[in-house]
Amino acid sequence: RKEVEQDPGPFNVPEGATVAFNCTYSNSASQSFFWYRQDCRKEPKLLMSVYSSGNEDGRFTAQLNRASQYISLLIRDSKLSDSATYLCVVNPGTDSWGKLQFGAGTQVVVTP
Amino acid sequence: NAGVTQTPKFQVLKTGQSMTLQCAQDMNHNSMYWYRQDPGMGLRLIYYSASEGTTDKGEVPNGYNVSRLNKREFSLRLESAAPSQTSVYFCASSETAGGYQPQHFGDGTRLSIL
Repeated sequence: RKEVEQDPGPFNVPEGATVAFNCTYSNSASQSFFWYRQDCRKEPKLLMSVYSSGNEDGRFTAQLNRASQYISLLIRDSKLSDSATYLCVVNPGTDSWGKLQFGAGTQVVVTP
Repeated sequence: NAGVTQTPKFQVLKTGQSMTLQCAQDMNHNSMYWYRQDPGMGLRLIYYSASEGTTDKGEVPNGYNVSRLNKREFSLRLESAAPSQTSVYFCASSETAGGYQPQHFGDGTRLSIL
């Protein structure tokens, strides 16, 4: 079983619609969580950190469910520029100091 | 702001050749990392340097060596390239290690081994 699992998609989303997807992680001791976006053939860029209480950044909302060991990302009012691969990133805890675990990504395609 | 700079951007090598990938950051970060990204897989950590003067193995260190030259620079060396090392390589940095700070990435080196 992969340590961080994501639905690879693609999620095809009409412009203006809402899309949400999850990421599951295997280590219950995981300490911190991030969402990155990666455009085709580009480097990953931090989208947002994920806090225990959930957090929002504009049209993006991230949630953490420790009991079920998943995090989610919701994108409202999707824009064409939101088309990208979204990477779920997990800090597995102090025993794996600094060694973030990356999911393989969920592809989102926003269509006109 | 340059952030994290990687050179070269592209490279083609023959099996058995050696080369060094360079990485420099100008954010005064303490920690630096080397990853490889292969299709359908998440980024995998090759080596990291928690602070100047230290380096440690990541998930896939075999066939690679690293040098933390100073606080700014962290290089990755392939001593005898193999086709299995064909990949996109990313360097990243963060303020500190421990995984609580986000990492900032360079724009990658696309390496093909023939």
